[in-house]
Amino acid sequence: DVKVTQSSRYLVKRTGEKVFLECVQDMDHENMFWYRQDPGLGLRLIYFSYDVKMKEKGDIPEGYSVSREKKERFSLILESASTNQTSMYLCASSLPSARGETGELFFGEGSRLTVL
Amino acid sequence: KNEVEQSPQNLTAQEGEFITINCSYSVGISALHWLQQHPGGGIVSLFMLSSGKKKHGRLIATINIQEKHSSLHITASHPRDSAVYICAVRWYMDSNYQLIWGAGTKLIIKP
Repeated sequence: DVKVTQSSRYLVKRTGEKVFLECVQDMDHENMFWYRQDPGLGLRLIYFSYDVKMKEKGDIPEGYSVSREKKERFSLILESASTNQTSMYLCASSLPSARGETGELFFGEGSRLTVL
Repeated sequence: KNEVEQSPQNLTAQEGEFITINCSYSVGISALHWLQQHPGGGIVSLFMLSSGKKKHGRLIATINIQEKHSSLHITASHPRDSAVYICAVRWYMDSNYQLIWGAGTKLIIKP
């Protein structure tokens, strides 16, 4: 059974703290994604990675960074958390299709972050 | 820019009813995803289709490329179908494929 595992389901952090959100997939997928989801806004892409040590900015990368040192692990980093980063964070992975398309997506359970 | 609109935003129905959720987009696409999100967060991919129709159990997804429209149908709906259903379209822009997400349709099935 395919699996995308996010390290924490619920986190509460204080403004200014550094936050690490970890995502691990066991399907040997090249593509990995970090999204945030807010009520009424749908999913918004923060960063994605098509390969180890490779990263690309999504639609809302400001305030975030990522790390992909190993194929199975994609980490999202909030260098200095702010209250407007309170959100649900979702990690996803997929196999690549031809010409860089995204195949079927597999999601983790989500990490709900509250920044006080 | 490709716009994705889902309708309705919210839908409440009785157990057993036939459910239809719609997704429209503005620019030609290479594929469309339907996904389901249960309370608590996890998202599950239901269908990925680029033409015609797909069926899995009580779920049916159709797409009309000319009309830029897709529907997700649930037959014999059940309370466990209560979830948010999300449409996403895959299209080619700026030398890359992108996914554009709809805002979701919240479905509640009452026993």
